[in-house]
Amino acid sequence: TQLLEQSPQFLSIQEGENLTVYCNSSSVFSSLQWYRQEPGEGPVLLVTVVTGGEVKKLKRLTFQFGDARKDSSLHITAAQPGDTGLYLCAGMWRAGNMLTFGGGTRLMVKP
Amino acid sequence: NAGVTQTPKFQVLKTGQSMTLQCAQDMNHNSMYWYRQDPGMGLRLIYYSASEGTTDKGEVPNGYNVSRLNKREFSLRLESAAPSQTSVYFCASTTRGVTYEQYFGPGTRLTVT
Repeated sequence: TQLLEQSPQFLSIQEGENLTVYCNSSSVFSSLQWYRQEPGEGPVLLVTVVTGGEVKKLKRLTFQFGDARKDSSLHITAAQPGDTGLYLCAGMWRAGNMLTFGGGTRLMVKP
Repeated sequence: NAGVTQTPKFQVLKTGQSMTLQCAQDMNHNSMYWYRQDPGMGLRLIYYSASEGTTDKGEVPNGYNVSRLNKREFSLRLESAAPSQTSVYFCASTTRGVTYEQYFGPGTRLTVT
C-alpha cells in the first residue's frame, strides 16, 4: 500500500494568518491532487499538479509540487473563515491507476 | 447537470441487516468509485469500475459487493452489516485523461448498531 502522510492533522488559526499544509510520500507520484471538503459534503477538487517543481496559484492558495514529485504543499495567505474545512491530498503513482488519499488536514480559521 | 447523486443520505442499520447504496452520474464518465471515510483516515477505496461491465476490488473490499448497472449507475451492497462498517460512504466518477480528477457525490452516512 502506498502511503501519503499529511501534516499537520489539525490547524486552528486566526483570520489573516498564513499557513502551510504538507503532503509527503516515499514514492514518486505521476500526479497529485488537492481537494477541499466541507462538513456534510463530498470533496471538491482544487488543483492537480503534474510536473516536478510546478507551482499553481488559486487566488490566496498556492500549491507546489516537489522537484522529485514525492511531496507537495498547500500555502494559504491571509486565511479567512471561509477557508475552514478538511484539505485532502491524493496521489496517483501511475497514470490511470487509482488515487490514494492522505489522512487530511482539518483547518479552522477563527474570525 | 446534477453531477454525482447518492441515495440515501442517512441510514441506520442493525447488525446483520443488508442494504444497497445507490449512485448515479450524469457526466458521461467511464469510471466510478466507492470510498469510505473514517475520522483521521482520509478516503479509502472499496471498489471501482473502470468502465461499464467491469468492477475491481480496492483497498478495503471485504463485506461489500458492487454492481455497475449501466454507464450512469454504480451501486454498493452490504449483505450483512457490521458495526465496523459504520462510516460515511462516497461515490465518485472521473474523467478519462492523464490526471483522472474525481467528482464526488454528497455522501451517505451509515450507522450500524
